[in-house]
Order: sequence, then C-alpha cells, then structure tokens
Amino acid sequence: QVQLVQSGAEVKKPGASVKVSCRASGYTFSSYAIHWVRQAPGQRLEWMGWVNAGNGYRKYSQKFQGRVTITGDTSASTGYMELSSLRSEDTAVYYCASRVAAVWEWGQGTLVTVSS
Amino acid sequence: EIVLTQSPGTLSLSPGERATLSCRASQSVSSSYLAWYQQKPGQAPRLLIYEASNRATGIPDRFSGSGSGTDFTLTISRLEPEDFAVYYCQQYSDSAVTFGGGTKVEIK
Repeated sequence: QVQLVQSGAEVKKPGASVKVSCRASGYTFSSYAIHWVRQAPGQRLEWMGWVNAGNGYRKYSQKFQGRVTITGDTSASTGYMELSSLRSEDTAVYYCASRVAAVWEWGQGTLVTVSS
Repeated sequence: EIVLTQSPGTLSLSPGERATLSCRASQSVSSSYLAWYQQKPGQAPRLLIYEASNRATGIPDRFSGSGSGTDFTLTISRLEPEDFAVYYCQQYSDSAVTFGGGTKVEIK
C-alpha cells in the first residue's frame, strides 16, 4: 500500500533553515507529485507547494516563494522540503502528501519548532 | 487562487443526528479535484471523500459527498461519537491547492 514516512521533529533557532524528508513506498515515485502542507497550532491547513518527482518541475505558493525549496530524489523515492529564514510563526506541523490515482495519501507529519 | 469558504464554522449536534457541511468555492472547481478530510487533535488529516463523491477506502457509508461547480456538501447521515472532529474541504486546480477554513462538529 502507499506510504509516506516523514523525518522526525526538529527544533530550530530564528533565522535558521530546516529540511524535512518524506520517503515514499508502494507506488512509482517518479509518476506523481509530492506536495507539502503545513498547519500551525490551532490553524487551518496551508499548502506550500509541490514538485513533480519525475521531471523536477516545481510550483510554490506565493506566500512561501523565495523561502521554500521542494525537491525530489527518485533514486531514494524521497521528497524534501527546505524552509529558510525561520521565524516563530513557522512553528507548525509539516505534512507531505501525494495524489496517487486520484486518492490523496499523507505522511504522519513533522513538528518544526522555532524558538530562541 | 481559488478561495474555499466552509460553513458553518461550528456545528453543535447530538449523536445520531444528521450533519450537513458546506464548502463554497470562489470560482468553479472540477469535481475531480475536490476532497474532504476529517482531522482530530494531534492527528494527520484523514481522507474521507475524493473526486467530490467517492468514499476513500475504509470510510463508512454514513459519509457522503455531493456537489459541483462552486458548491459542495459533505453529509454525515447519523453522527457516531467518533465523528466529532474538524472537517476540511480541499481543491486542486491550476496546479495549486487550497483548503477551506474548516468546520468543527462538536457534541451538543
């Protein structure tokens, strides 16, 4: 079955960068996009962007343009999301997701805490 | 960017009652790209409905989705205790994804 397994929780200082990984299994990784979504405490889900794992094409939400980099490594069936210039408002759970054959599959989430 | 507006913000109902949740889009959304999720505290979103009306694997048939264009509905025919949670709609078009603000279904 399709599974997305994310890396563990991170604690970062303001101004630093964080890189979260998402390892896919159960489907052809290069055939589907990997999306990243975040959720701050008590807030709604917020889409950040996606990468076409097959050809590397990316699209980012305007809100995160310039601060986020989303990549995919087909040899490792793994997607990555790197967010730079972290501030306290970036404290959130970050999820990867993929729409495989019309069905959205999600990772378990990675808590990123930004604190001095 | 397509904006999704969910209503009501909070729905207070008793177990056994029917819940009707609305999701309205600022412009037309293809039914192929409209999904509904359930989320409980500390958990990842759980896919309930995809392509506006198809139940995901393992989802009980008391959950149903309908609608087209700009108006979509999630209906829970008879609320079970485990159904009290927050529900989100999601659309995917023009290569971008947006989510509604959520409807909290709470016990009355």
